[in-house]
Amino acid sequence: NAGVMQNPRHLVRRRGQEARLRCSPMKGHSHVYWYRQLPEEGLKFMVYLQKENIIDESGMPKERFSAEFPKEGPSILRIQQVVRGDSAAYFCASSPRGIDEQYFGPGTRLTVT
Amino acid sequence: GNSVTQMEGPVTLSEEAFLTINCTYTATGYPSLFWYVQYPGEGLQLLLKATKADDKGSNKGFEATYRKETTSFHLEKGSVQVSDSAVYFCALSVRGGSEKLVFGKGTKLTVNP
Repeated sequence: NAGVMQNPRHLVRRRGQEARLRCSPMKGHSHVYWYRQLPEEGLKFMVYLQKENIIDESGMPKERFSAEFPKEGPSILRIQQVVRGDSAAYFCASSPRGIDEQYFGPGTRLTVT
Repeated sequence: GNSVTQMEGPVTLSEEAFLTINCTYTATGYPSLFWYVQYPGEGLQLLLKATKADDKGSNKGFEATYRKETTSFHLEKGSVQVSDSAVYFCALSVRGGSEKLVFGKGTKLTVNP
């Protein structure tokens, strides 16, 4: 059973460009969480999705950030008009029922130049 | 609100030394408690968990006991190895909500031969 997959692993964007981060949950998992890890800090919750639904987006910045988890395909975290402060590691986690432990992907390290 | 406070690092130990990393929490509900480990350049791996008071989580020689009276979940290992060098995160999730994880800032452990 493959683990949580994220791609790309590293992403470099110039200020003002768009960043798209992809997350494929473990097989059989329909709950996806996105977290952001700033340098020297712990992970901060961003958004929780189930298939086709956003359940909790209380950690998402109000502007420029969006997330989706379509019926088919991976979950996407989209950052429009990136700024230097968006440089971070973005981790996706999945769980089978939302009340179980979360399994993390390897992360996407976004660098904004 | 919900929060986790863990021991500031970095922690440097010699091989076979005893390890304690302190973790305390505040929670509005009845939390589940977790320790995650992050090796360099990788995502987080669940190390152990406890879901109710007085439960002891254990894995790979690491242990932590859920202490409701002191709101603590300290991580211990009797004899550390060089391969235990990593960043350790204490986390909680509160049932009945979105099950999102709230993390401490992490403690970097380096074990020298």
